[in-house]
Amino acid sequence: QMQLVESGGGVVQPGRSLRLSCAASGFIFRDYAMHWVRQAPGKGLEWLTGIAHDGSNKYHVDSVKGRFAISRDNSKKTLFLQMNNLRIEDTAVYYCAGDTSGPLDIWGQGTTVIVSS
Amino acid sequence: QFALTQSPSASASLGASVKLTCTLDSGHSDFAIGWLQQQPGRGPRYLMRLNGDGSHNRGDGIPVRFSGSSSGAERYLTISSLQSEDEADYYCQTWDTGSVIFGGGTKLTVL
Repeated sequence: QMQLVESGGGVVQPGRSLRLSCAASGFIFRDYAMHWVRQAPGKGLEWLTGIAHDGSNKYHVDSVKGRFAISRDNSKKTLFLQMNNLRIEDTAVYYCAGDTSGPLDIWGQGTTVIVSS
Repeated sequence: QFALTQSPSASASLGASVKLTCTLDSGHSDFAIGWLQQQPGRGPRYLMRLNGDGSHNRGDGIPVRFSGSSSGAERYLTISSLQSEDEADYYCQTWDTGSVIFGGGTKLTVL
């Protein structure tokens, strides 16, 4: 059974850092490009950043440039998101998702990040 | 960067059919998309890939009553024999080099 499980969310003060993890199982992780997508309370889906299947290329939306960094460890079948200098507006559910040809066809259940003083 | 447009809401009766629309902007009218379902309180679930010619491939375990079609820049998701569990938010998604784009989502109410 193909599965992605996110972890690492929690409550954090503005300006602090958090590292999210996404553990994959049931499929060949190294064949998939991987992404982080977030959903603020009551809002739609927002793509943040993606990484090629072999880690050779990384992409991100301008709003997280210089603050968020995506990485992966194919030997451990794990995706990461390092989030620095967190802001109130980063409060959201964070999902990891994967694709082999464009559509994001595998999703995790999400981990909640709350940025609050 | 380009945009996908979806109507904010739709409704249909139990057992009926409903057709949801996702519109690509004019410069990207031949792009393929993916359709996603997000039930209340849950993560998104992949439904299908839908190409510009209307061909589509459902994800594993997705019932055949979920189907896709295309016309020009419009991409459609048709849900037949509506069930209560189909009440959800539906998102379209596409991609270009270095980016992933989501539509704003359509909230489907099953009456």
